[in-house]
Amino acid sequence: QSVLTQPPSASGTPGQRVTISCSGSSSNIGSNTVNWYQQLPGTAPKLLIYSNNQRPSGVPDRFSGSKSGTSASLAISGLQSEDEADYYCAAWDDSLNVWVFGGGTKLTVL
Amino acid sequence: EVQLVESGGGLVQPGRSLRLSCAASGFTFDDYAMHWVRQAPGKGLEWVSGISWSSYSIGYADSVKGRFTISRDNAKNSLYLQMNSLRAEDTALYYCAKGARGAAAGTDWFDPWGQGTLVTVSS
Repeated sequence: QSVLTQPPSASGTPGQRVTISCSGSSSNIGSNTVNWYQQLPGTAPKLLIYSNNQRPSGVPDRFSGSKSGTSASLAISGLQSEDEADYYCAAWDDSLNVWVFGGGTKLTVL
Repeated sequence: EVQLVESGGGLVQPGRSLRLSCAASGFTFDDYAMHWVRQAPGKGLEWVSGISWSSYSIGYADSVKGRFTISRDNAKNSLYLQMNSLRAEDTALYYCAKGARGAAAGTDWFDPWGQGTLVTVSS
């Protein structure tokens, strides 16, 4: 059972907009920033969004992040086949004193 | 280009030890915190341990506390994970990741990640 809760799966057709949610608590998302990682099949995770809504250089602006209270969301617009991957949210937890991850969401492009 | 290359994984019997290494290049190693994150086969990501730039702050997941020890050698641009009393549930791909700041906690993120080294604990 992960400390951060994500839906196990999501899907969309090319060109659609999909969102992935990440729910936490006051000790993690509620008091710290959220990061998102993308893991393409058979590869290492890659930073996708940091500090709630910042994109590293090279990440397309189709990817955006937001946070409200103890929840965060990742939105992908103009869905492409190469977006098919696992997506993880993460945050520091002030009570547990550890980094916590969501269980991951497998995105399928239909 | 920032590069992280893990090594030291392998097949080990339960109760035995293993030491992982991560060789870093392409950045000023002693300016940044470093982390180990693992992924069991077919499972999600789990943070294992993190160490601040000067080793003054170290943290561990409860699942490895007392068994694993993280360390770094800034002169050698290297990060280590000493794993003792290994259990079957420690079987995973272990990734080394660079922090974005000197501290290992709070406002930080992991970027980039190495390709990982596989640890299999089995008799």
